[in-house]
Amino acid sequence: DAGVTQSPTHLIKTRGQQVTLRCSPKSGHDTVSWYQQALGQEPQFIFQYYEEEERQRGNFPDRFSGHQFPNYSSELNVNALLLGDSALYLCASTPLLDARTTDTQYFGPGTRLTVL
Amino acid sequence: DAKTTQPPSMDCAEGRAANLPCNHSTISGNEYVYWYRQIHSQGPQYIIHGLKNNETNEMASLIITEDRKSSTLILPHATLRDTAVYYCIVRADNNAGNMLTFGGGTRLMVKP
Repeated sequence: DAGVTQSPTHLIKTRGQQVTLRCSPKSGHDTVSWYQQALGQEPQFIFQYYEEEERQRGNFPDRFSGHQFPNYSSELNVNALLLGDSALYLCASTPLLDARTTDTQYFGPGTRLTVL
Repeated sequence: DAKTTQPPSMDCAEGRAANLPCNHSTISGNEYVYWYRQIHSQGPQYIIHGLKNNETNEMASLIITEDRKSSTLILPHATLRDTAVYYCIVRADNNAGNMLTFGGGTRLMVKP
């Protein structure tokens, strides 16, 4: 049973560019959350997707947007990249609502984004 | 969600029990205590969670005080691979998609 997977593992972009990160949730999970973790800091919540809609959002600008597909996978898009967007981007998934006994989130390995 | 307080760092000898404390004095009745750990540059790993009873799984034990204002995560026989940052998080568990709010965590160093 595959866990949460993310792609790519690493990527390098320049300021002003746009980037798309991808996440496939764990089998049997329908909710996807995204977090940003700057170097040496704790993860910060960006947003969460459920039933293909953004359900909850943290304190991040509109340059950060997302999408969830019918198969529950998700994308995180960041426009007009800034140097400060350099971070580890983490995806976490939560079990299907009808099978859920807790809201435990399970994390993927992350995508390391470097903005030059 | 309630705020948590953890010591910034701790050391533990390999093979000994590691006891990681967490204070959450403002916890509400419907809030659970969750523990995650993060090994360097990897995604956070879920360890255990509980509401008011003590919990145990294959990774660790969670001891919650009777007033629920503090808890302790116990790794019974720490190994070098348990070196990580351990996060104690308090949040409601109501299927409403509550986000995880991470604090600074405790950096546990297991030494030979």
